[in-house]
Amino acid sequence: AQSVTQLGSHVSVSEGALVLLRCNYSSSVPPYLFWYVQYPNQGLQLLLKYTSAATLVKGINGFEAEFKKSETSFHLTKPSAHMSDAAEYFCAVSPSAAGNKLTFGGGTRVLVKP
Amino acid sequence: SQTIHQWPATLVQPVGSPLSLECTVEGTSNPNLYWYRQAAGRGLQLLFYSVGIGQISSEVPQNLSASRPQDRQFILSSKKLLLSDSGFYLCAWRSWGTYNEQFFGPGTRLTVL
Repeated sequence: AQSVTQLGSHVSVSEGALVLLRCNYSSSVPPYLFWYVQYPNQGLQLLLKYTSAATLVKGINGFEAEFKKSETSFHLTKPSAHMSDAAEYFCAVSPSAAGNKLTFGGGTRVLVKP
Repeated sequence: SQTIHQWPATLVQPVGSPLSLECTVEGTSNPNLYWYRQAAGRGLQLLFYSVGIGQISSEVPQNLSASRPQDRQFILSSKKLLLSDSGFYLCAWRSWGTYNEQFFGPGTRLTVL
């Protein structure tokens, strides 16, 4: 069985500062990994996905994530935070492309200070 | 392009009343469909998923049920709502031949009083 751990349920960053959201996974097979963003009272939107092609994955809104197998991590970063980045972020793992379910982390809420 | 709709957007219901939430997907065929719930401070909980018409898998035993009467329609129901059913309900879909990424609808905010 796979699991996902997001370190820090809340993160506060200043506008213009680096955003770093941590995600560690456990999986018995090479996983597929995803980051989603959720704005208040909205559904989840896919930010980016890792599918074993490139370890550094670029997504929308200037976000990127790096897959590190040795550390079982898939941390999400953005060099410069914008006020519009205030949202909740979810990391998710799937054991295979044919799997029917995603396992989600508990989420990290990002607050951006002016 | 594909779109997913949920309605109603918000709902306030008394305890013991019935529930019906609807989700429809456009622009794809034979998708997997999912119902999730977000309760305050409890993350994203998978309730049901369906791989085809009439095929429902339940993830969490509860007083909710799901049905899939048509290929792109997924319904979440309850005969008698509990206070604990309050939350934000999200429908999602995925298509075959992808890496299992799911695409989410706008959600329904349910408040049970």
